[in-house]
Amino acid sequence: EADIYQTPRYLVIGTGKKITLECSQTMGHDKMYWYQQDPGMELHLIHYSYGVNSTEKGDLSSESTVSRIRTEHFPLTLESARPSHTSQYLCASSEYPDAVTEAFFGQGTRLTVV
Amino acid sequence: GNSVTQMEGPVTLSEEAFLTINCTYTATGYPSLFWYVQYPGEGLQLLLKATKADDKGSNKGFEATYRKETTSFHLEKGSVQVSDSAVYFCALSDRANTGFQKLVFGTGTRLLVSP
Repeated sequence: EADIYQTPRYLVIGTGKKITLECSQTMGHDKMYWYQQDPGMELHLIHYSYGVNSTEKGDLSSESTVSRIRTEHFPLTLESARPSHTSQYLCASSEYPDAVTEAFFGQGTRLTVV
Repeated sequence: GNSVTQMEGPVTLSEEAFLTINCTYTATGYPSLFWYVQYPGEGLQLLLKATKADDKGSNKGFEATYRKETTSFHLEKGSVQVSDSAVYFCALSDRANTGFQKLVFGTGTRLLVSP
């Protein structure tokens, strides 16, 4: 059983609000990721982190930002939510810095901006 | 960068039918290959993986073989169950410009199994 948790599971919020999606893992993994999953199911990497104080933008441009102050915590923030941000956001982590053997995923946060 | 192409769905089958979901890849070098499964309302779970050519990954009755000559990693199961209804993602490892190793996913194939 993977030990990676996302909160909230579902969020409906008004346009212009600031939101933070939480992601925590208890496996001590250095590498963490955020994926955005569109309604057509495709997954796009939007942010990743090598470890504490390391964050990079992924393949898909996103207006969100991330931080990595602690190994176990990788929150994603939207300063001003818009309807175009409506999507499912999946957080993941993996063990090895130089290879991908397996990524563990949280259950996701389904965000709706009205 | 590396990429994955998998068959479009939905795939609709009756219980106990044989399943094949096709996946082909484009890659430089020798990436690791994965199948992930996403049940309704859940995140992704690793189903099986293969790290080198001719490796066969297997789990829960599902199998896939890493075929370098055809650049394929097709998912198969001999007899599907209703509980196998989910979305299946083929993925491979890739290296970003920063050197970061990441997963690249296919577009997903929805499987619907009826009793």
